[in-house]
Amino acid sequence: AQSVTQLDSQVPVFEEAPVELRCNYSSSVSVYLFWYVQYPNQGLQLLLKYLSGSTLVKGINGFEAEFNKSQTSFHLRKPSVHISDTAEYFCAVSANSGGSNYKLTFGKGTLLTVNP
Amino acid sequence: EAQVTQNPRYLITVTGKKLTVTCSQNMNHEYMSWYRQDPGLGLRQIYYSMNVEVTDKGDVPEGYKVSRKEKRNFPLILESPSPNQTSLYFCASSARTFYNEQFFGPGTRLTVL
Repeated sequence: AQSVTQLDSQVPVFEEAPVELRCNYSSSVSVYLFWYVQYPNQGLQLLLKYLSGSTLVKGINGFEAEFNKSQTSFHLRKPSVHISDTAEYFCAVSANSGGSNYKLTFGKGTLLTVNP
Repeated sequence: EAQVTQNPRYLITVTGKKLTVTCSQNMNHEYMSWYRQDPGLGLRQIYYSMNVEVTDKGDVPEGYKVSRKEKRNFPLILESPSPNQTSLYFCASSARTFYNEQFFGPGTRLTVL
């Protein structure tokens, strides 16, 4: 079984400041990792994903994340946030275990609030 | 336009009155899934389907049923809704495996009185 822990439930920042949203996972097998964003009153949209290869993954809207296998982490970063980045962000993991690839486990979410 | 649609978007009902939330995708995706989202709990998977006539339980299947008779549709059925099923529900689909992006519907906000 896999699990995801998002270490901060809320992260307030000022516009143009850098931000890091933290995510740790647990799994007995190798994993695929995802970050999704949910803007107010909308569904979820994929920001980026790590499947294999380079541990630094770039996504949409200037976000990037780094996969760290030894620390079982997949933190999301953006060097300079905008008001429009205000949203809830979800980290998710899918375990690479053959036929059970279909299970996607989400963290509880981090609400990023960007203030002017 | 590639999309996942859900209906209804909002529903208020009473305890015990059977209801169905429909989900449809136009991307010919094999995989479909239902999640519920509750404050502080994130998204939890209810049921998923890997293809037509193939479904399996997620983390919180109690009180729900699903069917997958056609590739594009994956309805969620609450045969006897209870207040603890008040939640925001999302349907999602993806091609064959989790290697691909999951596309989410706009959500259905359900209130059970």
